[in-house]
Amino acid sequence: AAGVIQSPRHLIKEKRETATLKCYPIPRHDTVYWYQQGPGQDPQFLISFYEKMQSDKGSIPDRFSAQQFSDYHSELNMSSLELGDSALYFCASSLAGLPKNIQYFGAGTRLSVL
Amino acid sequence: GEDVEQSLFLSVREGDSSVINCTYTDSSSTYLYWYKQEPGAGLQLLTYIFSNMDMKQDQRLTVLLNKKDKHLSLRIADTQTGDSAIYFCAESGYNQGGKLIFGQGTELSVKP
Repeated sequence: AAGVIQSPRHLIKEKRETATLKCYPIPRHDTVYWYQQGPGQDPQFLISFYEKMQSDKGSIPDRFSAQQFSDYHSELNMSSLELGDSALYFCASSLAGLPKNIQYFGAGTRLSVL
Repeated sequence: GEDVEQSLFLSVREGDSSVINCTYTDSSSTYLYWYKQEPGAGLQLLTYIFSNMDMKQDQRLTVLLNKKDKHLSLRIADTQTGDSAIYFCAESGYNQGGKLIFGQGTELSVKP
């Protein structure tokens, strides 16, 4: 079965650079979530989209923005990168309207800011 | 705000049962989940339980939910070395718009 695809898997950037992370949800899933997991930490919710509209916002810095496109894939744009942005970034997708709200996670993008 | 707590480490011998515990604060939680994360890997959904259930069994996994005490546990029977990983408890509820709130994760170490 198709899973959530994230690209790239690894990304190395310098401070103050920009980065774009991509997420392709499971086919027919209409909701995408982004989470950030720092070293030794639990995943923290950043932002979510339902039917291409932002549905919820968590602890996402103003330097970050995201959107969901007409084909339901999503991109997380990160600017003015800081050392503290080094983390594993997960995308998850789900099908809204089902009570279980089961979120399936991608393998993540590991971002290293040097 | 909402909070989910787990103990950080658990060590068991191969073949024993493992019990990982989790407590949460949000009384509006509707579903509670267990995810497994191996080193450097993504989050794999293991199982979930609806808040009006008190037990769910799925092969070697048993989930117990005490809604009154807001306590969730995951029991892994006949634990194998391949079960060594970090296990995250997570909840979602009506007050949270679908996002998951995770616990800190319990690192399970299985010794041969």
